[in-house]
Amino acid sequence: GAVVSQHPSWVICKSGTSVKIECRSLDFQATTMFWYRQFPKQSLMLMATSNEGSKATYEQGVEKDKFLINHASLTLSTLTVTSAHPEDSSFYICSADQLNSGSNYNEQFFGPGTRLTVL
Amino acid sequence: GENVEQHPSTLSVQEGDSAVIKCTYSDSASNYFPWYKQELGKGPQLIIDIRSNVGEKKDQRIAVTLNKTAKHFSLHITETQPEDSAVYFCAVPGGGSYIPTFGRGTSLIVHP
Repeated sequence: GAVVSQHPSWVICKSGTSVKIECRSLDFQATTMFWYRQFPKQSLMLMATSNEGSKATYEQGVEKDKFLINHASLTLSTLTVTSAHPEDSSFYICSADQLNSGSNYNEQFFGPGTRLTVL
Repeated sequence: GENVEQHPSTLSVQEGDSAVIKCTYSDSASNYFPWYKQELGKGPQLIIDIRSNVGEKKDQRIAVTLNKTAKHFSLHITETQPEDSAVYFCAVPGGGSYIPTFGRGTSLIVHP
């Protein structure tokens, strides 16, 4: 099946630094990738939709200058948390879309997530 | 946009019992209904999905039923095992978008 990887799996940083998280589709090309954040015991909250070669579409309330998204190729999207603060500490998860040609539906495959802790 | 309600929020069962989790949605045009399992510290994994042209789909101990008229679908896990313990999310693409709206999640605990 389709595999999505994320790197790093966890990161601890000081307040004010920037952190980059990579999301890769390993065995398929993903036109669209999604970035979510998840707080403990809560559901996934969509942050932005990322399309290869174009600007990301951010959900309401998500600061685009704070969470920079670059979708450089059909297999790689990056999320950079700029000037991170303790309130940015969260579990960040990416997903990638793959068209199921048999049924003509888009299926989402999730990465393993990245635990960000800002001190 | 799509409104998705998932119940219960927590479910505790004994090993071997069945577990049922239900989701309701608002957009009658929605036609794809996946269920995800998320283990602690990991990303969600698709475990089963159903399209709107069928009412039920089964994969070993897991099944999903869909009632399009009532706009709800349910995840059924039979003969539960401790390794089934996880958080389960339903998702519904809708509201004119293929981007899914997730339910709040159900924490399933299977006691050995």
